[in-house]
Order: sequence, then structure tokens, then C-alpha cells
Amino acid sequence: NAGVMQNPRHLVRRRGQEARLRCSPMKGHSHVYWYRQLPEEGLKFMVYLQKENIIDESGMPKERFSAEFPKEGPSILRIQQVVRGDSAAYFCASSGDRGGNQPQHFGDGTRLSIL
Amino acid sequence: SQQGEEDPQALSIQEGENATMNCSYKTSINNLQWYRQNSGRGLVHLILIRSNEREKHSGRLRVTLDTSKKSSSLLITASRAADTASYFCATNNQGGKLIFGQGTELSVKP
Repeated sequence: NAGVMQNPRHLVRRRGQEARLRCSPMKGHSHVYWYRQLPEEGLKFMVYLQKENIIDESGMPKERFSAEFPKEGPSILRIQQVVRGDSAAYFCASSGDRGGNQPQHFGDGTRLSIL
Repeated sequence: SQQGEEDPQALSIQEGENATMNCSYKTSINNLQWYRQNSGRGLVHLILIRSNEREKHSGRLRVTLDTSKKSSSLLITASRAADTASYFCATNNQGGKLIFGQGTELSVKP
């Protein structure tokens, strides 16, 4: 079975552009989580989605960031008007349950660099 | 703020030695999980220990959980150079999301 697939692996954007990060969960998983990792730090939760629903977006910045997980297709994390501080590694994880009783499976991340 | 705090931040040992990493957290939990991250890669799940469990084993890994002290430890026995990685604890409080610690960077020298 394919694991969690994220693309692109590396993304370079100039300040003010938009960044779109994609995540396809593991087969059979309907719960998707996005995390951000700054250099030398642990991962920080951003948003938790289930198909067509945002369950918890308590970690999302109030402006410029949005996420979706449509009925068909991958989950998308969208960052509008990127700034230098958005440079980070963005990880997606998926799981088979809602309550967190199963481990989350992570993709290899998208490394976003802002010029 | 981050839930978990880990120590040490960095640990360097010789192959064959044991490595112990500790994690403390602040609020009640449903479970605590340990993950490993190799440089430039995603996280790999190692062990999940539920709040009503005290100890769990998986191969050369042993995890303990003390809910009264809000702490956990990960022991890697007979370490190998391939164990070199960053290790993170993460807590779950039934909401699905994980709250990660800052991680311990383990270096195992051959």
C-alpha cells in the first residue's frame, strides 16, 4: 500500500505569491492532519480535516492560510501572499480514526522556501 | 505553547549503549506516542501507549508512562548507528491532533 504522498517535495515562491501543497492520505484513511515544522523545532499542529469538513483549525493562522479535503482528490493546504516567515517544512499525516487512538502516518513533507 | 518538553535536547552515545529520552507534558492525555524522524524525511511512528498503560515494548524499544508525573521515557537498547535520528514524543487528548515536543537529537557513533 502506498503511504501518505505529498507533493511537491520542494517549493520555491517569491514573496506575495501563492503556495499550494498537496497531500494524498493512505488508502482507507479519511482523516488528514497538517503540521508545520520550523528548523530545529518540533511539529506544530495546523488543521485537522475529514472528507469535505474541517474538524479542528485551531492551529491555522487567521489570515492567508486555508485548507480543504474535497470528496474527490487530495487535501490542499493553500497559503496566499506568502511571506519569508512561511518558510518551513509542511507535513501531512493521515489516520483511520477520529479519536487519535491509532497512530498517524506521515508523508515526507513539502519544504517551502520563500525568496 | 508546546505540550511536550523533551530532554535531553541532544544525546551522543557509542554503538551498543542504551539511549534514554524523556518527555514531560502538561495536560491530561488519551495516549502518548513516540515518533522518529530522519533528516529530511517525515515522521515514523514507533510506539503508542495509552493513558491506562504503564509500560510497552517493541523490539529494542521500551516506553514507560507515569501519568501522575505527566512524563514518559523512551529507552533504545543496544543502539546501532542506524538509530541516529530525532525522536519526538506527542500527546493526544481525544481530539485527533497531536501535540509534539521539541525532540531529542540522537547520534550513535559506530
